[in-house]
Amino acid sequence: AQSVTQLGSHVSVSEGALVLLRCNYSSSVPPYLFWYVQYPNQGLQLLLKYTSAATLVKGINGFEAEFKKSETSFHLTKPSAHMSDAAEYFCAVSDFGSGNTGKLIFGQGTTLQVKP
Amino acid sequence: KAGVTQTPRYLIKTRGQQVTLSCSPISGHRSVSWYQQTPGQGLQFLFEYFSETQRNKGNFPGRFSGRQFSNSRSEMNVSTLELGDSALYLCASSPTGEDGYTFGSGTRLTVV
Repeated sequence: AQSVTQLGSHVSVSEGALVLLRCNYSSSVPPYLFWYVQYPNQGLQLLLKYTSAATLVKGINGFEAEFKKSETSFHLTKPSAHMSDAAEYFCAVSDFGSGNTGKLIFGQGTTLQVKP
Repeated sequence: KAGVTQTPRYLIKTRGQQVTLSCSPISGHRSVSWYQQTPGQGLQFLFEYFSETQRNKGNFPGRFSGRQFSNSRSEMNVSTLELGDSALYLCASSPTGEDGYTFGSGTRLTVV
């Protein structure tokens, strides 16, 4: 069965500092991996996705993530945090390639706080 | 290009009642998935529809059902509401169901 673990339910950084949100996954088949962001009272916005192409994936708003099979990780980074990055971030995994269509398994989320 | 539209945004229902939530996917997207989001359980997959057929289902009781119409719009229904059904219900659409999903803003259901 697939699963996702996000290390740290709450991360706090200063504006301009590096953002690092950690995600480890478990999957018996080559996974599809996603990062989503959720602002208060809104739905989820896709930041980036990995679907077995390049291991370093660039997304929107300056975010990127690197797929490391040996470490079963897909950590999200951003070189310099902005105040507008404060939100909740979700890592998700799926085995679409196995016919398990439409289903994403989400981590518990990490709340990012950005201090001025 | 319009995004995923969910209606209504907020809903208050009484225990025992039933409720229907609506989702209009992005034009051209044929796959629609539904999720329940609660503080305790996080985001949990309910079901996925493609071309009016349910292709995948999560681990929820039969009180939770859905359907998809020929224009890809989808509805989900919850019968005999329980207090624990209070949650944010999110709909998401995808061209094929094997790609990234675009989410709507959700319907906040409160059961009293």
